[in-house]
Amino acid sequence: TQLLEQSPQFLSIQEGENLTVYCNSSSVFSSLQWYRQEPGEGPVLLVTVVTGGEVKKLKRLTFQFGDARKDSSLHITAAQPGDTGLYLCAGVRGSQGNLIFGKGTKLSVKP
Amino acid sequence: NAGVMQNPRHLVRRRGQEARLRCSPVKGHSHVYWYRQLPEEGLKFMVYLQKENIIDESGMPKERFSAEFPKEGPSILRIQQVVRGDSAAYFCASSPPPPPGYGYTFGSGTRLTVV
Repeated sequence: TQLLEQSPQFLSIQEGENLTVYCNSSSVFSSLQWYRQEPGEGPVLLVTVVTGGEVKKLKRLTFQFGDARKDSSLHITAAQPGDTGLYLCAGVRGSQGNLIFGKGTKLSVKP
Repeated sequence: NAGVMQNPRHLVRRRGQEARLRCSPVKGHSHVYWYRQLPEEGLKFMVYLQKENIIDESGMPKERFSAEFPKEGPSILRIQQVVRGDSAAYFCASSPPPPPGYGYTFGSGTRLTVV
């Protein structure tokens, strides 16, 4: 059973379009992180959200943590080819140090 | 500031051989985590270590896999008698002391291929 469900699994869009990626769970997380991973490399942390309802912005990326701390979304405005990559959400539960990852959303932005 | 260093980047082993994967954490980070990633899959937690201690190994297969983080030197993930199913990318991450889950930095991974 996948604890964190990400959707969509694949997304191919044109440069300039907007998109939203979702990360859903039936479990509560003490924090949730979003990573971007490029082929042949390790994940790179984009943001950590902690408080239910929290919204964080990173240039054209907007991250939201659900009020109940069970889900999160990543919205990209005016996507660019450089945004291409695998986007992973990962949750922390309670006092456990390890991360629980979703399977990821593979984004392709065509020029 | 050096990030998490993993070596080798690529490792090819024949079935039955041993694989040793090394991870040097970010300077000052005392927590190390190992994850495994299969194609088209997210990362799966394997083990969480602090210096000289295994904190959580709930994600480690019961046999053939072991991990250590000695007082001096890198953390080592050891896979004995490798099988084809062990082929995957293995990532190490490090973080400073708690709160847990914060400040994660991942290495570039070791891609293990078992032939």
